[in-house]
Amino acid sequence: EAGVVQSPRYKIIEKKQPVAFWCNPISGHNTLYWYRQNLGQGPELLIRYENEEAVDDSQLPKDRFSAERLKGVDSTLKIQPAELGDSAVYLCASSLKAGELFFGEGSRLTVL
Amino acid sequence: ELKVEQNPLFLSMQEGKNYTIYCDYSTTSDRLYWYRQDPGKSLESLFVLLSNGAVKQEGRLMASLDTKARLSTLHITAAVHDLSATYFCAVDNNDMRFGAGTRLTVKP
Repeated sequence: EAGVVQSPRYKIIEKKQPVAFWCNPISGHNTLYWYRQNLGQGPELLIRYENEEAVDDSQLPKDRFSAERLKGVDSTLKIQPAELGDSAVYLCASSLKAGELFFGEGSRLTVL
Repeated sequence: ELKVEQNPLFLSMQEGKNYTIYCDYSTTSDRLYWYRQDPGKSLESLFVLLSNGAVKQEGRLMASLDTKARLSTLHITAAVHDLSATYFCAVDNNDMRFGAGTRLTVKP
């Protein structure tokens, strides 16, 4: 069975440019998470979806970040415009309802 | 707000030695998870602990949960180099909150 798939794996952009990340969760997993992981730190939750509904987006910087999960499957996370401090690894994870998370390989963003 | 604290944050140990990593958290929860992360890689699930007193073992690693003390431990027995990685605990309290991680280095 395929795991959580993320793309792109790496992205280098200049500040003020937009960027988007895509995630395809494990088939049948209702819950999808986006986390941000800064170097040497633990993952920090940005947004959690139950099917297509965002049930926890309190940590998402809404002035520049947006996310969507169309039809309750794939999800995209967008940053516009990017700032230097946005450089991090963006991790997508999925789970069956509440439970053990399965992570993708992550998208490493570098903002110059 | 749920806070999850791990200690130590850095751990260097000799092969063959034993050690324990601690994870304590600030609010009631009976769902706790341990993950492993190798450098440049994503997180891999190690243990799922879903009740007070739960104990899980896999190879040289054993995890336990005390929900009354709000504490989980990850015990390493007779460490080997392959265990070198960063270990995270995560507490599920409607959202999954992670600790800062313990970076373990096992030296020959």
